Amino acid sequence: ETGVTQSPTHLIKTRGQQVTLRCSSQSGHNTVSWYQQALGQGPQFIFQYYREEENGRGNFPPRFSGLQFPNYSSELNVNALELDDSALYLCASSLAGKSRTLEGRAFFGQGTRLTVV
Amino acid sequence: AQSVTQLGSHVSVSEGALVLLRCNYSSSVPPYLFWYVQYPNQGLQLLLKYTSAATLVKGINGFEAEFKKSETSFHLTKPSAHMSDAAEYFCAVSEGNRDDKIIFGKGTRLHILP
Repeated sequence: ETGVTQSPTHLIKTRGQQVTLRCSSQSGHNTVSWYQQALGQGPQFIFQYYREEENGRGNFPPRFSGLQFPNYSSELNVNALELDDSALYLCASSLAGKSRTLEGRAFFGQGTRLTVV
Repeated sequence: AQSVTQLGSHVSVSEGALVLLRCNYSSSVPPYLFWYVQYPNQGLQLLLKYTSAATLVKGINGFEAEFKKSETSFHLTKPSAHMSDAAEYFCAVSEGNRDDKIIFGKGTRLHILP
C-alpha cells in the first residue's frame, strides 16, 4: 500500500477520443510524475508537476497534458487518442524541497490500463 | 543523458538457486540507482535504492545490489529464489537526488522453476 491511488483502473476508448486519468497523491507530497508503460516495456517518463507547475517533460507530444491541483491530486489528459496510446499509465508522488531536491522517495500507484480500439 | 541496460529480457532460475539480474547504467553525473519489482497487473514497488552511500545496498524480500562504478553496473542478487519472486524487475536511474524523474530499463522477467 503506497497511499497513491489512480482511477479508473481500466478504461477502453475509441481512436480519436479524449481521456482523463486521475491520481491522488500520498498525503503531503507536492510532486507528481506520470509514466507510460507499453506492453513488454519499461515505464517512460511523460511529465512531472511540482506545486501545480510543469517541471519537466519527456518525449511525448503536446496532446499529452496534465494538471496538478492545490491538494496535489493530478490529472493526465490525452487528446486525439491513437492505438499506440494503449498502455498502463502510472503516476508517482514524491516530496521535493524548495530546491526541488527529493526529500524522500517516489511512491507509485497501481496504474490505469488504457486500451484504445 | 542517462540510460540503463538490462541484460536478458527473461531469466529462469530454479527455486532455491541464486538470482542474478544484470543492469548497466550510463550517467554523466553521480547517479541514483533503483530496482523496482512489478507483479502482474500491479504498479511498481521499490526493492532498493542506491544514493551514493554504501555500495552494497540491501532491499526488501532478501534482495541486494552492489554499485560498481568501474563497471557501471548495479546487478541485483538474491541468494535463494522463492516461487513468489516470479515477477518483472526494472532497473532504473535518476539524476542525483531526483528519483521522481526516473529512467527505466526495459525490464527482466524472472521465472522460478519448481
